Order: sequence, then C-alpha cells, then structure tokens
Amino acid sequence: RKEVEQDPGPFNVPEGATVAFNCTYSNSASQSFFWYRQDCRKEPKLLMSVYSSGNEDGRFTAQLNRASQYISLLIRDSKLSDSATYLCVVNPGNTGGFKTIFGAGTRLFVKA
Amino acid sequence: DVKVTQSSRYLVKRTGEKVFLECVQDMDHENMFWYRQDPGLGLRLIYFSYDVKMKEKGDIPEGYSVSREKKERFSLILESASTNQTSMYLCASSSPTGSYEQYFGPGTRLTVT
Repeated sequence: RKEVEQDPGPFNVPEGATVAFNCTYSNSASQSFFWYRQDCRKEPKLLMSVYSSGNEDGRFTAQLNRASQYISLLIRDSKLSDSATYLCVVNPGNTGGFKTIFGAGTRLFVKA
Repeated sequence: DVKVTQSSRYLVKRTGEKVFLECVQDMDHENMFWYRQDPGLGLRLIYFSYDVKMKEKGDIPEGYSVSREKKERFSLILESASTNQTSMYLCASSSPTGSYEQYFGPGTRLTVT
C-alpha cells in the first residue's frame, strides 16, 4: 500500500462546478498535511495547509479526518485557471519536514 | 520573492556520462531536497540535506550522490547516467521550523540516451 494515495483522475468538470478530491495516508502518526498545486510543466507550489479543524481559503476548503486517515480538498465555483494537478502531501511525525511524502497527484480539467 | 533556481531546464546526456545538476536557493534555508518525478509515481525523494556538508539518503538514492559545500547550493550527481534515470528532477528547499513549506525550483528534464 502506498503511504499517500490519491485518485489520479482526471476529473473533467465544467466551469462553476464543485469538485472534491480525497487522499488517504497510511501512517497514523502523521503530523502535518498540505495540498500543493502543480501546473503543466511547472513546479509544485503550496496551495494550502490542512488543519485539524478544517480550513478555508476563498473557494478552497481543506479537511482532515484523523480517525479515517484522509484529507480532502473541495473547490467551489471552478475556474478554467483551476486546471492543474493537485498533490496531497503528508509529513509523518515530528521529522522537521525531512520525510515529506507526496501523493502522485489528481489531475483536474475545468472546461468552458 | 523566494527563489530556487536550477542550472538547466533541459539536458540530454549519453549512457555512462557523469551528470551534474545544480540547485541554488536565496532564502537562507537549512533544508534542501532532490526529487525525481515520474508519471504515476509522483515525487520521490532521492537525497536531502539539513545543513552544509550534511546529507541523508531518501527513498531512491541508488545511482545518485549529492554535495552541499555551501548553504545555498545543493548538487545532484549521476555518477554514470543510465536510461532509467531519464526523468524530471526537482530541487526544493525549506526551513526546519514553521510550516515546512517546500519551495521548488523549475525542474530539469533529463534525458539519457
């Protein structure tokens, strides 16, 4: 079993749609969680951190479920510019960020 | 504006050649990382460094070595390039405190023929 698993997609949605991605992780001692975004032929960039209480940044909402060991990303009112690959990222334990594990990513295509 | 730069965007080398990939960051970060990214496999950690002259193996270090002589520079070396090392190589840096956000360079697409 992979340490961090994501549905690879692709998700094809029309503009304005709401889309949700899930990600599961295997290490129950994992401490910090993130979503990164990677545009085609570009480097990954941090989209948002994921907090235990859930957090929202504009149209993006991230949630963490420690009991079931998954995190989610919800995108509301999708824009064409949201088309990208979304990477689920987990830091297992108190390792000073050294053992960050990246999921393989979920591809999103938003169509006009 | 934070910046991580890599020496080349595209590189083509022959099997058996020694290959150097350079990475420089201007954020005074202690941590630096080398990943390779392949379709369906995501980012896999090759090596990381938490201080000058310090290095640790990641998940796939075989066939690679690294060098960190200065805080801002982290080099990845392929001692004898092979075709299965054809990949996208990404360098990143982060601070060991705070959010652990990693800042990535633009990547080097290496093709070994």
